[in-house]
Amino acid sequence: RKEVEQDPGPFNVPEGATVAFNCTYSNSASQSFFWYRQDCRKEPKLLMSVYSSGNEDGRFTAQLNRASQYISLLIRDSKLSDSATYLCVVFLGNAGNMLTFGGGTRLMVKP
Amino acid sequence: NAGVTQTPKFQVLKTGQSMTLQCAQDMNHEYMSWYRQDPGMGLRLIHYSVGAGITDQGEVPNGYNVSRSTTEDFPLRLLSAAPSQTSVYFCASSYSGHNEKLFFGSGTQLSVL
Repeated sequence: RKEVEQDPGPFNVPEGATVAFNCTYSNSASQSFFWYRQDCRKEPKLLMSVYSSGNEDGRFTAQLNRASQYISLLIRDSKLSDSATYLCVVFLGNAGNMLTFGGGTRLMVKP
Repeated sequence: NAGVTQTPKFQVLKTGQSMTLQCAQDMNHEYMSWYRQDPGMGLRLIHYSVGAGITDQGEVPNGYNVSRSTTEDFPLRLLSAAPSQTSVYFCASSYSGHNEKLFFGSGTQLSVL
């Protein structure tokens, strides 16, 4: 089982739709969680950190469910410019001092 | 302020050749790292450094060397290229560690024939 798993997609949605991705992680000792965005053939860029209480940044909402060991990303009112691959990233902390990246979920927003 | 600068953008090598991927950052970040990205596998950490003179292995270090003689530069050396090293390589930096916002370079697409 992969340490961080994501549905590779693609998720094809119309403009204005709401879409949600989940990401599951295997190590219950994981401490920190992030969503990165990666455009085609470009470098990843931090979209948002994921806090225990959940957090929102404009149209984007991230949530953490420690009991079920998953994080989610909700995008409301999708824009064409949201088309990208979304990478789930987990930090184990002292149990493994490095980041583990999921394989990414591809989103395609259509007009 | 250029951020993280990575060169070259593309490289083709023959099996057994050596080369160095360059990475420089101008943000005075202590932490620098190298990742490789293969289809469907996510980014995997090759080597990282928490400051000048300090380097450590990541998840997939075999076949690669690094050094950190200055805060700004963190080159990645392929000692004897193999087809399995065909990948996209990203350099990344952050202020102090893994658990912070990473700033990535634009990537190097490497093909080993």
